[in-house]
Amino acid sequence: DAGVIQSPRHEVTEMGQEVTLRCKPISGHDYLFWYRQTMMRGLELLIYFNNNVPIDDSGMPEDRFSAKMPNASFSTLKIQPSEPRDSAVYFCASSPRDRIDQPQHFGDGTRLSIL
Amino acid sequence: AQKITQTQPGMFVQEKEAVTLDCTYDTSDQSYGLFWYKQPSSGEMIFLIYQGSYDEQNATEGRYSLNFQKARKSANLVISASQLGDSAMYFCAMREGWASYDKVIFGPGTSLSVIP
Repeated sequence: DAGVIQSPRHEVTEMGQEVTLRCKPISGHDYLFWYRQTMMRGLELLIYFNNNVPIDDSGMPEDRFSAKMPNASFSTLKIQPSEPRDSAVYFCASSPRDRIDQPQHFGDGTRLSIL
Repeated sequence: AQKITQTQPGMFVQEKEAVTLDCTYDTSDQSYGLFWYKQPSSGEMIFLIYQGSYDEQNATEGRYSLNFQKARKSANLVISASQLGDSAMYFCAMREGWASYDKVIFGPGTSLSVIP
C-alpha cells in the first residue's frame, strides 16, 4: 500500500513568496494532520482534519498559514507571505478511524527554506 | 505544561547492548495511548510500538519493548541488541481520550547514537 505522499520534498524560496505544500493521505484514512518540526520547538501540530473538515487549527501560527482539504485524497498547506522563520520540515500524517490505538502514518516531509 | 517529558536529550550505547529511553507523561484521563516513533537522519517518522493504558502486558515488537509503569506515568522504550541502524531520534507520544479523537502530543525526543 502506498504511504502518505508529500510534495515537494524540498522547497527553497524567497521571503514574501507564496508556498504551497501538498499531501495525499493513505486511502481510507479519515484523519489528516499537518505538523511542523524545528530544532527550537520540536514537532508541533498545526491543524488536523476529520473527513475533510478542519477540527482543530489552534496550532496554526498566524493568518499567513492556511490549510484545506477539498477531498479525501488531497490536502494543502499554504503560507502567504512566507518569512524566514517559517523555515522548517513540514510533515503530513494520516490515521484511520477514531481509535485510540491507531498510530499516525507520516509522509517523508517537506523541507522548507525561506531565504 | 509539558505533557510528555523525555529527560535524555542524547544517549550513547555500544552496539549489541540494550538501551532504555525514558518517557514520562502527564494526564488525568484513564484511557490513553502511548506511542514511540523513530526518526533517522533521513527524516522520516517511523511508528515503532504502542501501549494502551488498559493493557496489562508490556508491549513488545521485535527488539522493541515498553517498560510501562502506569502508577509512575512512565513508558520507557527498551531496545535490545542495539544495531548501528538504531542511531536516530526517538519520540514518545500520547493520545488522550477514548470516545472521541484527540490530538497526539509528542515529546521533545531523545537522540540515540549506537557506537560500533
